[in-house]
Amino acid sequence: NAGVTQTPKFQVLKTGQSMTLQCAQDMNHEYMSWYRQDPGMGLRLIHYSVGAGITDQGEVPNGYNVSRSTTEDFPLRLLSAAPSQTSVYFCASSVGRGSYGYTFGSGTRLTVV
Amino acid sequence: AQSVTQLGSHVSVSEGALVLLRCNYSSSVPPYLFWYVQYPNQGLQLLLKYTSAATLVKGINGFEAEFKKSETSFHLTKPSAHMSDAAEYFCAVSVNTGGFKTIFGAGTRLFVKA
Repeated sequence: NAGVTQTPKFQVLKTGQSMTLQCAQDMNHEYMSWYRQDPGMGLRLIHYSVGAGITDQGEVPNGYNVSRSTTEDFPLRLLSAAPSQTSVYFCASSVGRGSYGYTFGSGTRLTVV
Repeated sequence: AQSVTQLGSHVSVSEGALVLLRCNYSSSVPPYLFWYVQYPNQGLQLLLKYTSAATLVKGINGFEAEFKKSETSFHLTKPSAHMSDAAEYFCAVSVNTGGFKTIFGAGTRLFVKA
């Protein structure tokens, strides 16, 4: 099994550009989340989904959109990139509510100049 | 809302010494608690989890953690540190309050000295 696959691994954007970070899992997990990781701040939840067609906001949703049209895919869209969105982004999935823990992707390192 | 506090952004131990990484949580409902490890340039890996069964939880690589409700703590320990334990460790709390959110602490970087 591939687990959680994130693409691209690295990306440089100019301020104002838009892009989509891709996330796919092949474990038939219902729950998927996007986190950003910044030095000294741990992981902060951007958006999450409890199943296809259902998404909700996390701690830091501004500037990001998500959709969940299939169980497998959970893309994260940056609408108009800003330098403050320079970060490492992780997608994670879980088989069920709360108690199972997450499987993480390997991350996307995004730089906005 | 739930929250997690990890005490100490950096911890340094000698090889063979006890590892103790501290985590305190806040939650209005019974929580699920987790420890994850992150090696450089990788994603997070689940070390262990507490899900209201035994309060002493054993995980991979010789790590264990004890849930103490009275102290709202979930500290991670390992009796004898190995060089390969050098990594960043994250404590996380998850509660079901109509949705499903897992909140992470800021992380503790563990250094192991030879």
